[in-house]
Amino acid sequence: GIQVEQSPPDLILQEGANSTLRCNFSDSVNNLQWFHQNPWGQLINLFYIPSGTKQNGRLSATTVATERYSLLYISSSQTTDSGVYFCAVTGGTSYGKLTFGQGTILTVHP
Amino acid sequence: DAGITQSPRHKVTETGTPVTLRCHQTENHRYMYWYRQDPGHGLRLIHYSYGVKDTDKGEVSDGYSVSRSKTEDFLLTLESATSSQTSVYFCAISEEGVGPTGELFFGEGSRLTVL
Repeated sequence: GIQVEQSPPDLILQEGANSTLRCNFSDSVNNLQWFHQNPWGQLINLFYIPSGTKQNGRLSATTVATERYSLLYISSSQTTDSGVYFCAVTGGTSYGKLTFGQGTILTVHP
Repeated sequence: DAGITQSPRHKVTETGTPVTLRCHQTENHRYMYWYRQDPGHGLRLIHYSYGVKDTDKGEVSDGYSVSRSKTEDFLLTLESATSSQTSVYFCAISEEGVGPTGELFFGEGSRLTVL
């Protein structure tokens, strides 16, 4: 099945800093989503972005499907951005089933 | 926020007892999913449903069964719970399948501890 690798595994920031999270995948995709799991365990859908660029407030995402990667940008980070960010894809032989990466743990200090 | 309710939110049970987790949605979405989340394994698909009475297995389906008698409800049953099934269980829904166009939304999770 399709492989998903996220980097970095851990990221520590001061409030106000910017960051870039990366998701690499091993095959062509027809579905890619970014999720944020907050410290209380809730999984929040951030972006549905199989290709192109989207922005939502301080967050934006870009997927370059032909080069098999997606980037999540967080600008002017806040402590509430802390948590785990997951990339999830459907593609290759995994059609119909979302495969999750292992996540990036983000900690934002005040 | 998508209208997804999981119950119970927390449960402690003993090995060998049956357990049923319920997922209820108010979005009238066709697709429903059960995932489990474990340290070191991330999120893994247990079972999913693509319509009333239509279900299929995911990657970690052994020891679990599901039922969907109404569009809004998807039940996950552990017939005889084992300690390896201690986990956080998430229900998710999507209007379309997650293949071509489906955007997935998650419930708040149910923490199950099997002693």
